[in-house]
Amino acid sequence: AQRVTQPEKLLSVFKGAPVELKCNYSYSGSPELFWYVQYSRQRLQLLLRHISRESIKGFTADLNKGETSFHLKKPFAQEEDSAMYYCALSSGANSKLTFGKGITLSVRP
Amino acid sequence: EAGVAQSPRYKIIEKRQSVAFWCNPISGHATLYWYQQILGQGPKLLIQFQNNGVVDDSQLPKDRFSAERLKGVDSTLKIQPAKLEDSAVYLCASSPLGPGNTIYFGEGSWLTVV
Repeated sequence: AQRVTQPEKLLSVFKGAPVELKCNYSYSGSPELFWYVQYSRQRLQLLLRHISRESIKGFTADLNKGETSFHLKKPFAQEEDSAMYYCALSSGANSKLTFGKGITLSVRP
Repeated sequence: EAGVAQSPRYKIIEKRQSVAFWCNPISGHATLYWYQQILGQGPKLLIQFQNNGVVDDSQLPKDRFSAERLKGVDSTLKIQPAKLEDSAVYLCASSPLGPGNTIYFGEGSWLTVV
């Protein structure tokens, strides 16, 4: 069975501080990992995926198969980064997404 | 590009009543998903369609939940009879055919069962 764990519910930082949102997964095969974001009063949307190996809005995430982790990082947080962040895992040809419980990021001025 | 459309946005019903949610996916997207998101939790897949066929409904409570996707486009999700624990946001999502494609979500239908 596949599982995604986001150990923290809330992270509150000041503007300009570094951010790391933790995500661990369990899956026996080769997973595809994603971070989804939901800004206030907006729909859930894709932030980034590990196979793209790109930086979106200053965020990066590296898949660490040894530690089964996919932590989301940003060196300098901005107020507009305040949102709910979900880590998700996709497996198999059906592209079914399994989500973690999510973490609220609050960036204070 | 129009996004995934859902209706109604909000619904309040009494327990044991029935409710139906409608979803119109992005044009051309063969795969359609219904997720349930209970407060404080991440979305949980209820059912996945590919065109008008069911790919995965392993987590759908089939004694009270049903879903259909006639003609492989729009979809409806029905709950009958509703229970208090069904209070949640029901998210519809769609994606193009094939693994690894981005899944696009609708705004969700908020259900409160009292």
